[in-house]
Amino acid sequence: NAGVTQTPKFQVLKTGQSMTLQCAQDMNHNSMYWYRQDPGMGLRLIYYSASEGTTDKGEVPNGYNVSRLNKREFSLRLESAAPSQTSVYFCASTGTGGRGYTFGSGTRLTVV
Amino acid sequence: QKEVEQDPGPLSVPEGAIVSLNCTYSNSAFQYFMWYRQYSRKGPELLMYTYSSGNKEDGRFTAQVDKSSKYISLFIRDSQPSDSATYLCAMSEDDYKLSFGAGTTVTVRA
Repeated sequence: NAGVTQTPKFQVLKTGQSMTLQCAQDMNHNSMYWYRQDPGMGLRLIYYSASEGTTDKGEVPNGYNVSRLNKREFSLRLESAAPSQTSVYFCASTGTGGRGYTFGSGTRLTVV
Repeated sequence: QKEVEQDPGPLSVPEGAIVSLNCTYSNSAFQYFMWYRQYSRKGPELLMYTYSSGNKEDGRFTAQVDKSSKYISLFIRDSQPSDSATYLCAMSEDDYKLSFGAGTTVTVRA
């Protein structure tokens, strides 16, 4: 099925561990995004990539790094996980004409 | 103050009622406005997309944008239990970086 695929769907980390969240889209979209969703806070932009080869910080980038591996793939890395990074992470993409995002199904991350 | 304000609810209505949702914003440069629907433990999906001020209708859904008041609304007519979800407003200056409201949780009772 066409769309945005995120892996893993669930993850539990211990404080200080690292991990990479993977995202891939098959819609030939140029722009890709990582958001986190917390209760009462809505979706907050972590990092985005307007096109292959570029990445920029969003509203809450501290503690995260990203890699736009190619046009299809955009990964999010937590180098040293903290309990404050417990959240649901969504990857999204949009094409050249904009007109809204297509979201993945999310990764539920718990840091203990 | 958040850039986009949305009452989190929750909102509970009987089947067949009209659901009214709204958001206010502070950035006068926003010109692209969207509503997303998010079912429990799923990713958001685009419901309505509008550019600048005005109304847009799609089936039972109507989106309104009033840029002079910095206020957007979503109306759901003849609500169904399948409309039970969280509704997120979103807006953008350039149609690429979106700012989201916190979401309103709606329950339609059968």
